[in-house]
Amino acid sequence: NAGVTQTPKFQVLKTGQSMTLQCAQDMNHEYMSWYRQDPGMGLRLIHYSVGAGITDQGEVPNGYNVSRSTTEDFPLRLLSAAPSQTSVYFCASRSQGLSEKLFFGSGTQLSVL
Amino acid sequence: DQQVKQNSPSLSVQEGRISILNCDYTNSMFDYFLWYKKYPAEGPTFLISISSIKDKNEDGRFTVFLNKSAKHLSLHIVPSQPGDSAVYFCAASLQGGSEKLVFGKGTKLTVNP
Repeated sequence: NAGVTQTPKFQVLKTGQSMTLQCAQDMNHEYMSWYRQDPGMGLRLIHYSVGAGITDQGEVPNGYNVSRSTTEDFPLRLLSAAPSQTSVYFCASRSQGLSEKLFFGSGTQLSVL
Repeated sequence: DQQVKQNSPSLSVQEGRISILNCDYTNSMFDYFLWYKKYPAEGPTFLISISSIKDKNEDGRFTVFLNKSAKHLSLHIVPSQPGDSAVYFCAASLQGGSEKLVFGKGTKLTVNP
């Protein structure tokens, strides 16, 4: 059972570079989201999607873009990386209904120099 | 403005004893609460949840208590085991409205053999 798969696991970027963090789930979940985890800050929601073609902003959306062309995939794009985006990024998914469990990927550790 | 607060960054207990992790929230509209456990280099995993219509929910060694008047919930682990050593995140949401889970900053639990 793959669950939520994130790639890459580690990435180092230079300031100003762009990249895409990949996220795929094989559970046919409608809801997908991206969080970032920073020391002492917990998990903060970047963007989320309630279905293909529908996305919305979370708590810290600036500097990130998302799209949802299929149910399975929810990539996160960094347009012009900044050192403040150094973080661990988690993708998560669940079925519709807030009482459903949120399943997380194993994370992408991103360093922006 | 932090809506979900875990005021203890860390907690250390002896194996076999009770671990009590606390969480406070400020938004009285939250009506669903969850606990997630996170090991290093892994994504968070769902542990236990509670709806605001209940004041207690049990699952094996884990029990969550909710005090709505105090806007406080706690996670009890009895007996604690070394494998329980992890970071525990409290999260809250609004059913039927928001698609967003708001997380606390986490408490690192260490269970000493």
